[in-house]
This record gives sequence, structure tokens and C-alpha cells, in this order.
Amino acid sequence: KQEVTQIPAALSVPEGENLVLNCSFTDSAIYNLQWFRQDPGKGLTSLLLIQSSQREQTSGRLNASLDKSSGRSTLYIAASQPGDSATYLCAVMDSNYQLIWGAGTKLIIKP
Amino acid sequence: KAGVTQTPRYLIKTRGQQVTLSCSPISGHRSVSWYQQTPGQGLQFLFEYFSETQRNKGNFPGRFSGRQFSNSRSEMNVSTLELGDSALYLCASSLGLGLAKNIQYFGAGTRLSVL
Repeated sequence: KQEVTQIPAALSVPEGENLVLNCSFTDSAIYNLQWFRQDPGKGLTSLLLIQSSQREQTSGRLNASLDKSSGRSTLYIAASQPGDSATYLCAVMDSNYQLIWGAGTKLIIKP
Repeated sequence: KAGVTQTPRYLIKTRGQQVTLSCSPISGHRSVSWYQQTPGQGLQFLFEYFSETQRNKGNFPGRFSGRQFSNSRSEMNVSTLELGDSALYLCASSLGLGLAKNIQYFGAGTRLSVL
């Protein structure tokens, strides 16, 4: 059974710092891995999608990597801003085409 | 282009009642997926509809059901509500083809409280 773990559960850093969020999964048989952002009381915004054959994806200040063999992904946020404060969720699409979710990392960027 | 619209945003029901939630996908999207989000269990997949057919189903009891109409709008129904059904219900739409490659676009969710 696929399980997705995100570490840390919460993170608070000063504005301007670069930071890394971690996601691990137990079964390497995935179709893709996605990072989402969730703001309080709101739905989910897709940030990056990495296909199983890819190693990384970049969008602006965000870079996500995927190491399928070790069951790990990282989301790198450069030059963090207060507007980056949100909960970041990692999800893998498993062999049944279902998204399996991590519990999320709650990120606070202090001005 | 309008995003994914979920109605209503908030619902309060009592145990034993039933509830219907609605989701209007992005124009042109044929796939609609439903998820339940709770503090204890996190996000869990409920089911996915594509071209009016249920294409995929998560591990939820039969009290949870859904359907999709010819215009791709989807409804989710929960019968005989239990306290544990209190959650944020999220709907996501996608093109639905080349499934593994699709990005899902999420609505703001319907927050259901069961008293």
C-alpha cells in the first residue's frame, strides 16, 4: 500500500531564506508526483508535476526533484516571501491512477 | 476561463440526513474527481468520473456516491450522514485524457459539518 510522508510537518523561516520541503513515498510504482499549495479555507493549487520518467521541474522560484528509486522528492523554494506562507502538499499518482497524499508541511515565512 | 466551481461552500447537516454537493468543471474538461479532506485522515480520493462514467473509486462506503452529467458537471451524494463525514470535500477537474499526465485543477471545496 502506497504511503506518502512529508517532513517537516511545520516550518517557520525568515523572509528571503531558501528552503527545502521533503516528501517520501513507499512504492516506486508511480505515474507522477505533484506538489500542491493550499491556502487556509481555500482549495488546492497545483505547483509542479513531475512525470515518473523525469528528474525535476522548475517554475519560477520553485524547483521540484524526483528520485523514484529512493522514493523521495524535494520542493526547493528560493528567496522565500511572506506570500509563500501556506500548506504544501505532495501527492503521487499510484498504479491505480489514484492520487495518494502526504499530510502536508505548514510553511510560515516571517517578514 | 472560469475555474472549478463548487456549491455550496458551506453546509450544516444533522446525523442521518443526506447531502448533495455540486461541482462544475473547467470548460472542456471531461474528468471530475472528488476528494475528502479531514484533519485526521488528510486528503483521500473518493471517485473519478469521465464522460458520465465512474472510472475510478477509492475506499469509501457505499453511502458515498456520485454522478456526472453530459455537460461534465458532477454531483456527489452522501446518505445517512455520520459525524465522521464532517470534512472539506474537494472537486478537481482535468482534461481526463492521458490521465497520468494531466494536471488537476481544484475548486475551493465544500465544507460539510455534521451535527
